[in-house]
Amino acid sequence: LAKTTQPISMDSYEGQEVNITCSHNNIATNDYITWYQQFPSQGPRFIIQGYKTKVTNEVASLFIPADRKSSTLSLPRVSLSDTAVYYCLVGGRGNTDKLIFGTGTRLQVFP
Amino acid sequence: NAGVTQTPKFQVLKTGQSMTLQCAQDMNHEYMSWYRQDPGMGLRLIHYSVGAGITDQGEVPNGYNVSRSTTEDFPLRLLSAAPSQTSVYFCASSRQGFYGYTFGSGTRLTVV
Repeated sequence: LAKTTQPISMDSYEGQEVNITCSHNNIATNDYITWYQQFPSQGPRFIIQGYKTKVTNEVASLFIPADRKSSTLSLPRVSLSDTAVYYCLVGGRGNTDKLIFGTGTRLQVFP
Repeated sequence: NAGVTQTPKFQVLKTGQSMTLQCAQDMNHEYMSWYRQDPGMGLRLIHYSVGAGITDQGEVPNGYNVSRSTTEDFPLRLLSAAPSQTSVYFCASSRQGFYGYTFGSGTRLTVV
């Protein structure tokens, strides 16, 4: 499984856009990039997954450059309720029998 | 749909006791996993399964056993509880390994 590196923590204010970048230099050809969100005292929640270019859903956008060695999770106009830990994971068909989490990025949103 | 259901939500054990944490999913998912999360830490994989009858070890399997006799259920057994096993345990399931996993609400276990 490709190793991922992301910032340990980030701070933001309500209404701002937050971009969390994840590095995955050893990503394999068939690997997907997946982000999870975890609120305190809850299990992680799948928020977005992508393979290349840009993916957008009702929660976030995921930007993946052509070389796929990094990805950026973008949260538009964050609110206090976006305070959580965000995990970046990389894996794909045939090598993702198990899901290994890193330390994640702890996002704190202030009023 | 209930999703992933974990029972119990809270449990206190004495050192040396054994118990089983239950996990059930109603989404017909093939992949199921158990994680533990210590305070302020990330999730660590204990055991996982890619289908009924198939299980394998994760990052921290010592002191835990699993079995997968049905697609729906994936119980985690603590053989002889130790204070180091005090943690929050999460069960998760997925249609396929690289698709999004659905997590249960967790079991908070304290070993005294």
